[in-house]
Amino acid sequence: AQSVTQPDIHITVSEGASLELRCNYSYGATPYLFWYVQSPGQGLQLLLKYFSGDTLVQGIKGFEAEFKRSQSSFNLRKPSVHWSDAAEYFCAVGASVTGGGNKLTFGTGTQLKVEL
Amino acid sequence: DVKVTQSSRYLVKRTGEKVFLECVQDMDHENMFWYRQDPGLGLRLIYFSYDVKMKEKGDIPEGYSVSREKKERFSLILESASTNQTSMYLCASSLGNNQPQHFGDGTRLSIL
Repeated sequence: AQSVTQPDIHITVSEGASLELRCNYSYGATPYLFWYVQSPGQGLQLLLKYFSGDTLVQGIKGFEAEFKRSQSSFNLRKPSVHWSDAAEYFCAVGASVTGGGNKLTFGTGTQLKVEL
Repeated sequence: DVKVTQSSRYLVKRTGEKVFLECVQDMDHENMFWYRQDPGLGLRLIYFSYDVKMKEKGDIPEGYSVSREKKERFSLILESASTNQTSMYLCASSLGNNQPQHFGDGTRLSIL
C-alpha cells in the first residue's frame, strides 16, 4: 500500500525567505504526486502535480516541486515566501485500486507560519 | 472552474441521529470522494465512487455509508452518529483516474 510522510509538522519562515517543504512517498510503481494547500476554514486547492516527464514541475502561486525517484521524494519549494502563503500544505500520492478507480493517500500536512 | 458544493458548512447533531452530508459537483466528473480531516491525521478516505451506483470502501468506512444515484451527487450517511465522528468532512471529485481532485469547502460536523 502507498504511504506519504511529511516529516515537518510546523515550519516558520520569515517573509521573503526561501521555503522547502519535504515529502517522501512509498509506492511500488511510478507515482502520481500532488501538492495541495489549505487555508483556514477552506477546502484544499491544487498547487501542482507530477505525472511523468520533466521532474521539476511548476505550479500556481510561484511554487515548484522536484520529483526524485532515487530518494522517493517530492519536495515543494518557493524562492520567496509571502505572508499570504501561511496555510497548511499536503502532499499526496495517487494509486489505482482493484476494481477500478483510483485514490489519493495524503500526508499528515505541514503547517506553515510566515513571520513579517 | 470546477465547483464542488457541500450542503452545509457547519452542522450540529445528536448521538444516535442519522446524518446526511450532501455533495454536488458541476463538471460531469466520474469520480467522487469523501474524506474526514482530523488534526495530526491529515485526510483519510472514507468512501469513493467511480461511477453512478458504484461505491468502494476507503481506509475508514466503519460507521458510514454512501449513495450515488446521480453522477453529480454523492451523499455520505452516518447511520447512527457517535461523538467520535465529530470532524471536518471534505468532498472531492475528479475527471478520471489519477486526475487532480477538486475539493469542496468542507462541513464541520459536531456530534453532541
